[in-house]
Amino acid sequence: DADVTQTPRNRITKTGKRIMLECSQTKGHDRMYWYRQDPGLGLQLIYYSFDVKDINKGEISDGYSVSRQAQAKFSLSLESAIPNQTALYFCATSDYFNEQFFGPGTRLTVL
Amino acid sequence: ILNVEQSPQSLHVQEGDSTNFTCSFPSSNFYALHWYRWETAKSPEALFVMTLNGDEKKKGRISATLNTKEGYSYLYIKGSQPEDSATYLCALRPNSGGSNYKLTFGKGTLLTVNP
Repeated sequence: DADVTQTPRNRITKTGKRIMLECSQTKGHDRMYWYRQDPGLGLQLIYYSFDVKDINKGEISDGYSVSRQAQAKFSLSLESAIPNQTALYFCATSDYFNEQFFGPGTRLTVL
Repeated sequence: ILNVEQSPQSLHVQEGDSTNFTCSFPSSNFYALHWYRWETAKSPEALFVMTLNGDEKKKGRISATLNTKEGYSYLYIKGSQPEDSATYLCALRPNSGGSNYKLTFGKGTLLTVNP
């Protein structure tokens, strides 16, 4: 079984809809991250969390919110989706040495 | 904002060729440098974590070197194979307080190995 899982893997939605992307991990890591990837732009950090009580904004947090429900779960929400949030979203976890382990990604399309 | 640059942006080589590409980063703000391999339709996988100036790491036909004083790392692939085709990402872990645990990624080098 995969150590980092993401649901859904693909999602098509309409402008204005609320969307939640979920991430679960079995690696026992405290640190979890959400990234988005746009063609030609590399991975950009949206939010990160070092434990259930510590959540921090990344480089591009506007339009997103997160919830760390437990050590193993970190959800990303788009309160009102817009077309320029169409992207590939990755969840990742890391240990103290910060080697990051990525989930399989969620491809989100906002029409 | 940290600037992590990778070059070239893309690269085509023939099977059997050896190749290398570069990751540049601000030498004044360095804690560790990570390399990842990202195959199409998969998730990035860690290759190396490098921390010391002069570090050299090797995994099979892939190796990497690090120069923290001048702010660059090279990734080498010896005898490229089609299965090496992927995007190779480098990421900087900075040496600055609250940002210490975040990675800043470069845009990647897309390697295509033609059979």
